[in-house]
Amino acid sequence: DIQMTQSPSSLSASVGDRITITCRASQSISNHLNWYQQKPGKAPILLIYGASNLESGVPSRFSGNKSGTDFTLTIISLQPEDFATYYCQQGSATPWTFGQGTKVANK
Amino acid sequence: QLQLQESGPGLVKPSETLSLTCTVSGYSISSSSYYWAWIRQPPGKGLEWIGSIYYSGNTYYSPSLKSRVTISVDTSKNQFSLNLTSVTAADTAVYFCARRRRVRSNGGDYYNWFDPWGQGSLVTVSS
Repeated sequence: DIQMTQSPSSLSASVGDRITITCRASQSISNHLNWYQQKPGKAPILLIYGASNLESGVPSRFSGNKSGTDFTLTIISLQPEDFATYYCQQGSATPWTFGQGTKVANK
Repeated sequence: QLQLQESGPGLVKPSETLSLTCTVSGYSISSSSYYWAWIRQPPGKGLEWIGSIYYSGNTYYSPSLKSRVTISVDTSKNQFSLNLTSVTAADTAVYFCARRRRVRSNGGDYYNWFDPWGQGSLVTVSS
């Protein structure tokens, strides 16, 4: 199985901050990396697929990138509705696997 | 608009079988093009893919659960279902159904992701 490791596991930030979450795969997954946002009691929502493709309807303050073996999710100018948990997921090979999540909390 | 809704018992006894159904609305499962998936999330923990099914009945499962999982499809009802046998407390989780999307990349291989998801159904394993 491909293991996905996210960092940090949690962070505290304020409205207007720029934050970055990192995800690393245990083996090469090309750019087959997706990002989801999950709020308490709700299902995950797709934000980005294929490492950097913004899903339709997702605000442009979200962006994804790949640098070497690391994938990043960046939120510029954090908004109140962005406080949530974020998960990465590899879409390269089954079994599809997720990172352990990064909780973004209000400082 | 495509929507998915999980249904089934919220409480299952240890050693028994967990059964859930996902009803798809706004899209015909038998229209092909997509796989349909089950994913679970233990309370306070991360996400785990359980398995997926195609409208034809073709399935693939997570190796860690394969011996206990069966996913089936009923195209006449536009539903797909999950059976998980011999459950223990470790199977307590919110169970989500979702559509797996698969789009060809510029490089010729395929991106795979889950969207949309159902709202989730909490299943507690307890006597």
